[in-house]
Amino acid sequence: QVQLQESGPGLVKPSETLSLTCTVSGDSISGYYWTWIRQPPGKGLEWIGYIYYSGSTYYNPSLKSRVTISLDTSKNQFSLKLTSVTAADTAVYYCARARSYSPFDPWGQGTLVTVSS
Amino acid sequence: DIQMTQSPSTLSASVGDRVTITCRASQSISSWLAWYQQKPGKAPNLLIYKASSLESGVPSRFRGSGSGTEFTLTISSLQPDDFATYYCQQYNSYWTFGQGTKVEIK
Repeated sequence: QVQLQESGPGLVKPSETLSLTCTVSGDSISGYYWTWIRQPPGKGLEWIGYIYYSGSTYYNPSLKSRVTISLDTSKNQFSLKLTSVTAADTAVYYCARARSYSPFDPWGQGTLVTVSS
Repeated sequence: DIQMTQSPSTLSASVGDRVTITCRASQSISSWLAWYQQKPGKAPNLLIYKASSLESGVPSRFRGSGSGTEFTLTISSLQPDDFATYYCQQYNSYWTFGQGTKVEIK
């Protein structure tokens, strides 16, 4: 059974870069879209973007200028970098898996990242 | 981009009530729609995919319907475990979430 686990710093200073990694266990990276989603405290879900197992990416236009998603197939991991963060980027960040024309399933448990000095 | 609009934002109901949540897409998404349930501190849990297909293990009191631009999630008899926030998600063109519907105790 595939499982996803987010990891990374829980506190990031304003203007710095948020970096998170999602480790995939129980299945291969191949054949799937690997995605990031975030949820500010008390608010709804925002899809950040994906990386396909081939390496192609797509980012939410609202975040495109600041987001990079990358893949490390040797470690069965994919990563998120979000630059120039502000307090508005404080959120629980989730990673998830999808196929073409499919919803996100499964999800990681999520990790809270707070942007504060 | 496809926008998803859920209504209502909050719904107050009692155990045993029949509950309906609506999700509208800004353009046709065929049946490429999912519903998730999220409880505080937890990741969303997939309930329904392809508008009306029940995910394995999800109780049959959950029912999804609709196609094109209008969709509904119905809980036939609300149970204590169902008080949560529900999100719709389109996956016809990339992925977009609705803003969520919180089902609270009346």
